Amino acid sequence: QQQVKQSPQSLIVQKGGISIINCAYENTAFDYFPWYQQFPGKGPALLIAIRPDVSEKKEGRFTISFNKSAKQFSLHIMDSQPGDSATYFCAAMKSQGAQKLVFGQGTRLTINP
Amino acid sequence: DGGITQSPKYLFRKEGQNVTLSCEQNLNHDAMYWYRQDPGQGLRLIYYSQIVNDFQKGDIAEGYSVSREKKESFPLTVTSAQKNPTAFYLCASSWGHGGYTFGSGTRLTVV
Repeated sequence: QQQVKQSPQSLIVQKGGISIINCAYENTAFDYFPWYQQFPGKGPALLIAIRPDVSEKKEGRFTISFNKSAKQFSLHIMDSQPGDSATYFCAAMKSQGAQKLVFGQGTRLTINP
Repeated sequence: DGGITQSPKYLFRKEGQNVTLSCEQNLNHDAMYWYRQDPGQGLRLIYYSQIVNDFQKGDIAEGYSVSREKKESFPLTVTSAQKNPTAFYLCASSWGHGGYTFGSGTRLTVV
């Protein structure tokens, strides 16, 4: 019930292409879905987040698509750049009670120049 | 600058030794968290604290201990009971509504 499954584990995309990372969750009580970006040797940084009352949220080149009935959400990175090369984590949380983020396993994204 | 400071950046532990990782925040956040990161396993919750003088076990608390005597500080002790402590440890704080801020991490290695 607490799991968040993320795929793929690693992804290589050409510069200018679209990077797509997918996540699925089980707990229908989750109501906050953030994506984090992590560079080597650093802590994760919040990239973008969505709540289930909307199906899509866009910030610059980054878009979250959310499918409540399928219990899935995905991150799209448009016009991918070498500086986007990092590890990306999806996560999920219940806003009520103890606000503990449950993380996916991570995707190592490499953008080839 | 507001943020979370973790120290040290690198830490080496001998067999049978306890070590303490420091986490300090000046964001005035009520909640603080410790996560462990291993390759291919994402981040797993060790302990969390929603208010001073109170903390709860996460998913992998065995072999770890914490304290929360001040709002700004949430140190993590890795005890000798933790059989596989080599990992990257991340501290985070939250103002609520999901807004986590992470520190830069401490890499612990058993020697």
